[in-house]
Amino acid sequence: SQKIEQNSEALNIQEGKTATLTCNYTNYSPAYLQWYRQDPGRGPVFLLLIRENEKEKRKERLKVTFDTTLKQSLFHITASQPADSATYLCALYSSASKIIFGSGTRLSIRP
Amino acid sequence: GAVVSQHPSRVICKSGTSVKIECRSLDFQATTMFWYRQFPKQSLMLMATSNEGSKATYEQGVEKDKFLINHASLTLSTLTVTSAHPEDSSFYICSANSGGNTYNSPLHFGNGTRLTVT
Repeated sequence: SQKIEQNSEALNIQEGKTATLTCNYTNYSPAYLQWYRQDPGRGPVFLLLIRENEKEKRKERLKVTFDTTLKQSLFHITASQPADSATYLCALYSSASKIIFGSGTRLSIRP
Repeated sequence: GAVVSQHPSRVICKSGTSVKIECRSLDFQATTMFWYRQFPKQSLMLMATSNEGSKATYEQGVEKDKFLINHASLTLSTLTVTSAHPEDSSFYICSANSGGNTYNSPLHFGNGTRLTVT
């Protein structure tokens, strides 16, 4: 069956360190993968999209990698700040014309 | 940037009544909108795809007569929870993409509606 898994339900790291979140998928062959941020009681906000022919994408302190052989995407936040604390969701486009989300990783950055 | 407005943000209703949730794309046209449901500390579960001018496509296990979707214009989709029961209490979120293709353009989300059925 098709699955999207974000291995860590929660991740706590020290301010200033790099946070790395993992997204694995099975039985999909997505051409694109997306990452979103969700704050409590709010809708998700789009962060980055990476294409299958892109190994890496950056936006300010954010970096996303996409390994179609491993069927995995890594999401990095460098120089993390308490304001980065949120739930991060990976998402990909299924063959049925819809975007499916992973279960999310709740990231907490402690001062 | 593209903005999706969802209203109301919170609603409390009595069991057996119906509740309508509106989702509007404010600065772009959306032929397709998506309705999600989210339980506490869980991810978004796609309920249905709302198509302008045609019937919505429901995901397996979602009752179409329970969750009525109407997409009457390119900027408005509504979700009506009919004969609501306490188990329908949840966080409902709509989304739309401003690009032509779903798969290579980001989704823009409303801020969700917290429904509590007493």
